[in-house]
Amino acid sequence: SQQGEEDPQALSIQEGENATMNCSYKTSINNLQWYRQNSGRGLVHLILIRSNEREKHSGRLRVTLDTSKKSSSLLITASRAADTASYFCATVPYGNNRLAFGKGNQVVVIP
Amino acid sequence: DAGVTQSPTHLIKTRGQQVTLRCSPKSGHDTVSWYQQALGQGPQFIFQYYEEEERQRGNFPDRFSGHQFPNYSSELNVNALLLGDSALYLCASSGLLQQAPTNEKLFFGSGTQLSVL
Repeated sequence: SQQGEEDPQALSIQEGENATMNCSYKTSINNLQWYRQNSGRGLVHLILIRSNEREKHSGRLRVTLDTSKKSSSLLITASRAADTASYFCATVPYGNNRLAFGKGNQVVVIP
Repeated sequence: DAGVTQSPTHLIKTRGQQVTLRCSPKSGHDTVSWYQQALGQGPQFIFQYYEEEERQRGNFPDRFSGHQFPNYSSELNVNALLLGDSALYLCASSGLLQQAPTNEKLFFGSGTQLSVL
């Protein structure tokens, strides 16, 4: 079953703007990860945040985690056309070492 | 350093047939996981192989089976294909964390697009 649920499902922005995506999950987790997928091909790992962390940065990416609300957000700052892709959150629940993906966000960055 | 490689890239089969998909993990990785991704959905976990054994399995019927070889490469077999098996099949590899297979930072192949007619 799907663990993560992203919101919104589709986002269209102008180049240079920021893009924010949210993800909610249902069970306690060990960590939460974000992946990017271009044109329905392989996924690329972007960033991992552990359950005892609240915020993490990597380049133009900022991830937050609120375990009390069981939610996470991914912010892409100063978006570029190359950021056009689908973004998935994935969780590793406690006691279950399998990665569960959400349904994904389609982000289109208009040049 | 080669990443995760999958073959074939595309495959067309008819209902009832059997299919075998192949995956070579990233160099240095010994754990392979398989995912099924239907159009417009997120990947669904099928199973994970480590030390040539199936270690975890998702909610997939026995028609889905796999194998891992001594060189860590892996195969996914699907028997008695159904139309609903049409999907992108993704292989992901990872190493060990504290001497156990980890799901932190998976490396994915480009997938095999399977169409069942």
